[in-house]
Amino acid sequence: QVQLQESGPGLVKPSETLSLTCSVSGGSISGYYWSWIRQPPGKGLEWIGYIHDSGSTSSNPSLKSRVTISLDTSKNQFSLKLSSVTAADTAVYYCARDFNAYARWLDPWGQGTLVTVSS
Amino acid sequence: DIQMTQSPSSLSASVGDRVTITCRASQSISIYLNWYQQKPGKAPNLLIYTASSLQGGVPSRFSGSGSGTDFTLTINSLQPEDFATYFCQQSYRTPLTFGGGTKVEIK
Repeated sequence: QVQLQESGPGLVKPSETLSLTCSVSGGSISGYYWSWIRQPPGKGLEWIGYIHDSGSTSSNPSLKSRVTISLDTSKNQFSLKLSSVTAADTAVYYCARDFNAYARWLDPWGQGTLVTVSS
Repeated sequence: DIQMTQSPSSLSASVGDRVTITCRASQSISIYLNWYQQKPGKAPNLLIYTASSLQGGVPSRFSGSGSGTDFTLTINSLQPEDFATYFCQQSYRTPLTFGGGTKVEIK
C-alpha cells in the first residue's frame, strides 16, 4: 500500500523559505495528484495546493504567491516551498495523495511534520 | 472560497451511543463532501467520500448522508476507538476547504 513521509527542517527563521519533501513508497507517483495540507497547533486544516505529474499545479489563493510545489518522478517525491514565512506559518505540514477523478478526496496522508517559524 | 461549518464543535458521549455530526456548506456542493477522523498526534484518516461512500477498512457503524449544502456523519454504537476529532471537507471546487472539526469526547 502507498505510504507517504514528510521530511525537512523543523525550524525556519522568519522571512526565510520553508522547504519540505514528501517521499512516496509502495506505489508510483506518476498518474496521480499530490497535495500539501497544514494544521496550526490546536487548529483546523488548510489545503495548500496540489501537483500532478503532468506538471499541473494549483494552490490556495491565500498563499498562492508564496507557494511552489514541484515533483521528481525519478525519486518518487514531491516538494513544497513556502517563501517569506512568518510565525503564522507555524504548523504541522502533511502531504497526501489527492484522488482526483470523478470525485476527489485525500488518502492516504503522511504522518505530518511540525515546522516552527522562529528566530 | 466555499465555507464549511460543522456543528457541534465538541460533544460528550458514552460507549454505545449514536452520534450525529453535521456539516453545512456555504453553497451547493452536490455530493462532493468527505469526512475524516483525526486522533491526537496523528494524520487525518479518510472515513467517507462523496458524502456516503464508506472508505475500505472503515467499520460499518460509520455512515454519511446528505447532498447540496447539508451533510451528516453518523456513528452508530460509539466505540472507545472512535473518540477523536472529525472533519468534513468539500471537494467541489478549489481551494479545498475543511470544516472546523468536531471533537468527540468520553462522557
